[in-house]
Amino acid sequence: AQSVTQLGSHVSVSEGALVLLRCNYSSSVPPYLFWYVQYPNQGLQLLLKYTTGATLVKGINGFEAEFKKSETSFHLTKPSAHMSDAAEYFCAVSDLTGTASKLTFGTGTRLQVTL
Amino acid sequence: KAGVTQTPRYLIKTRGQQVTLSCSPISGHRSVSWYQQTPGQGLQFLFEYFSETQRNKGNFPGRFSGRQFSNSRSEMNVSTLELGDSALYLCASSQLAGGSGANVLTFGAGSRLTVL
Repeated sequence: AQSVTQLGSHVSVSEGALVLLRCNYSSSVPPYLFWYVQYPNQGLQLLLKYTTGATLVKGINGFEAEFKKSETSFHLTKPSAHMSDAAEYFCAVSDLTGTASKLTFGTGTRLQVTL
Repeated sequence: KAGVTQTPRYLIKTRGQQVTLSCSPISGHRSVSWYQQTPGQGLQFLFEYFSETQRNKGNFPGRFSGRQFSNSRSEMNVSTLELGDSALYLCASSQLAGGSGANVLTFGAGSRLTVL
């Protein structure tokens, strides 16, 4: 069974500081990995995805993530936080052999950005 | 291009009642998936429909059911509501079903159900 673990349910950074949200996955087959963001009272918006190929994936709003198979990690980063980045972030995994519609999500990390 | 539309956005029911939630996918998307989001259990997969057929089902009791129509619109139904069914129900659509990395889910804003 696949799973993802997000370390830290709450992360607080200052505006302009580096954002690092951690995600580790467990999968018996090469995974597809995703990061989604959820703003209050809204659905999930895709930030970026990793399928195959380049291990450094660039997404929207200046976010990027690096797939590290040796560490089974897919951490999300952004060089400089903005107030508008305050939201909840979810890492998710699906396997290559199954339907990409069946995602297994992490428990989420709420990002707070302070002045 | 219109996004995924879910109705109603908010609703309140009492225990024992049943509820039907609706989801209109993005035009041209044939796959619709449903997820339940609660503070305690997080985001959990309910089921997926493609071309009016249920392709995948999560670990939920039979009180949770769904269907998809020929125009790809989907409904989910929860019968005999329990307090624990209070949640945000999210619908997502995608162009295809199956293991393709290009098959990205686009989520609606959700239907927030409160069971009293």
